[in-house]
Amino acid sequence: AQKVTQAQTEISVVEKEDVTLDCVYETRDTTYYLFWYKQPPSGELVFLIRRNSFDEQNEISGRYSWNFQKSTSSFNFTITASQVVDSAVYFCALSISLGFKTIFGAGTRLFVKA
Amino acid sequence: DAGVIQSPRHEVTEMGQEVTLRCKPISGHNSLFWYRQTMMRGLELLIYFNNNVPIDDSGMPEDRFSAKMPNASFSTLKIQPSEPRDSAVYFCASSSRSGWRDTDTQYFGPGTRLTVL
Repeated sequence: AQKVTQAQTEISVVEKEDVTLDCVYETRDTTYYLFWYKQPPSGELVFLIRRNSFDEQNEISGRYSWNFQKSTSSFNFTITASQVVDSAVYFCALSISLGFKTIFGAGTRLFVKA
Repeated sequence: DAGVIQSPRHEVTEMGQEVTLRCKPISGHNSLFWYRQTMMRGLELLIYFNNNVPIDDSGMPEDRFSAKMPNASFSTLKIQPSEPRDSAVYFCASSSRSGWRDTDTQYFGPGTRLTVL
């Protein structure tokens, strides 16, 4: 069975601090996909990144970076120099190639204070 | 380009009434998903379609829930009769899946906030 664990329920930081959101996944499949989504206070779910299981390269996009480590089944998300606009709930998700289902973690609520 | 469109954005109804939520996926996408989000249960997949055909409806909570996709550009999620515990935000998402090894990204609509009194 597939599972996604986001152990951090809420994180509070002060603007300009760096923050890392943890994501641990479980699957027996060798081909799978990992995602991060952002849900700001307005409520919509915004796609941030997708990574497949064959590509362990880390990725950086502006202040955002992602660290994928198959050895620890983790796909962590770091925001550098956080801003108030980063305040949102962040979801990590897992999908296997042979199915259509995407399993979402419970989400981590990030508060960035000015 | 237009994203996933959902209507209505907000719906308030009384227990026992029929509720219909609507979704227009992104043009060209061949997979459509309905999710429900609540504080207690998080984000739950209710049903998904591929090429207008329901693939898995195991997440549909009860027979009171039904979903249809009559064509590639429209889907409905119906609750009849509605109950207060159905109150939640319902999201529709679409993606483009081209082969069995491909899991394309799901793009979400803005959601419909349903309140059943």
